[in-house]
Amino acid sequence: DQQVKQNSPSLSVQEGRISILNCDYTNSMFDYFLWYKKYPAEGPTFLISISSIKDKNEDGRFTVFLNKSAKHLSLHIVPSQPGDSAVYFCAASANTGTASKLTFGTGTRLQVTL
Amino acid sequence: ETGVTQSPTHLIKTRGQQVTLRCSSQSGHNTVSWYQQALGQGPQFIFQYYREEENGRGNFPPRFSGLQFPNYSSELNVNALELDDSALYLCASSFGGTGNSPLHFGNGTRLTVT
Repeated sequence: DQQVKQNSPSLSVQEGRISILNCDYTNSMFDYFLWYKKYPAEGPTFLISISSIKDKNEDGRFTVFLNKSAKHLSLHIVPSQPGDSAVYFCAASANTGTASKLTFGTGTRLQVTL
Repeated sequence: ETGVTQSPTHLIKTRGQQVTLRCSSQSGHNTVSWYQQALGQGPQFIFQYYREEENGRGNFPPRFSGLQFPNYSSELNVNALELDDSALYLCASSFGGTGNSPLHFGNGTRLTVT
């Protein structure tokens, strides 16, 4: 049962344009969402997060949007740069008072072309 | 600030053997989590340690066990290795055993079981 879904395995965007990565979730208990970026042979690197009490969070070129009613979030990268080429994972957690367990999607490979 | 470090980086074991993977958490972090990432999948939560005790576990059998030491470093032990245990094992650290906070990942240990 995939509770966090990234339905696009790959995305190709031209340098300077906007990259939009999408993520859907099914567990209504999730209240914290994160995006991680992963380069080959490296561990995932935290990018940006959003709490369920917000619908938007911005950090430089990265903005995450959360639509709770649709159980959907997206990551916007503007402008896209070649160094952004990586696999992007969406992750979610539920604050149950115990372990801060993250549930990850399967990732979207972003290729930023010149 | 020292990041999360994992050893070894690569390991090849035979089915039925036992393996121990090691992790040093980021300085200032007191919580360690372990994740398994199979090829083409997102990381899956194995368990988390806080104050040297396991405080959350994912859907993994008891042959996956761990330890956390007073200096917050951690070990993941896997007994009776199976072919399906071949994966990238990621260690992540954070501060606080509960609640929502970003995890900081190491570069992982690539385990191959033959």
